[in-house]
Amino acid sequence: GAGVSQTPSNKVTEKGKYVELRCDPISGHTALYWYRQSLGQGPEFLIYFQGTGAADDSGLPNDRFFAVRPEGSVSTLKIQRTERGDSAVYLCASSSIASVRGGDEQFFGPGTRLTVL
Amino acid sequence: GQQVMQIPQYQHVQEGEDFTTYCNSSTTLSNIQWYKQRPGGHPVFLIQLVKSGEVKKQKRLTFQFGEAKKNSSLHITATQTTDVGTYFCAGPRGNMLTFGGGTRLMVKP
Repeated sequence: GAGVSQTPSNKVTEKGKYVELRCDPISGHTALYWYRQSLGQGPEFLIYFQGTGAADDSGLPNDRFFAVRPEGSVSTLKIQRTERGDSAVYLCASSSIASVRGGDEQFFGPGTRLTVL
Repeated sequence: GQQVMQIPQYQHVQEGEDFTTYCNSSTTLSNIQWYKQRPGGHPVFLIQLVKSGEVKKQKRLTFQFGEAKKNSSLHITATQTTDVGTYFCAGPRGNMLTFGGGTRLMVKP
């Protein structure tokens, strides 16, 4: 089976524009995570879905960021009024176990490189 | 909040030399995971440690979890050019993984 896929692979936008980033997790994985990775740093947690609901959105930096997972599979991360500081690689990961306390590995997608000019 | 620190930030080694990266958490961890990210790639899971004092080996890689479950290390014996990449440790906090800043390994052939 396929791994986690993300589209687009690269997105260049202008400051103030709206963008949507898509993640297609591994089939059957109920847990889905969004991370943001800046150059030279580790992934930074944004939001976690268990099924269709956002179980933890404490990592979203502000209300310009929003994510959905309406059918419990594909997820979309939405960024409004983009700023230059939003430029980063946005990584999606999925896992078959609901809680990281269970220690199951996370499978990462290739990421979307977002550049805000 | 929980912080996960890694040292060193960078390491250059000659092929065949050994390499070690250290991970320290500000809080006790239920488990720790290690990931490798090749240049231009995405993080790939290597291993998970759960028990206090646990040691696991994968070929030339040896992973340790400290007795207090607050620190961990990854040791690579006789590095090869294929080992190039950034190695991250990550610990659970609530529903998320907190990643360290990573150690970037560069290997000179």
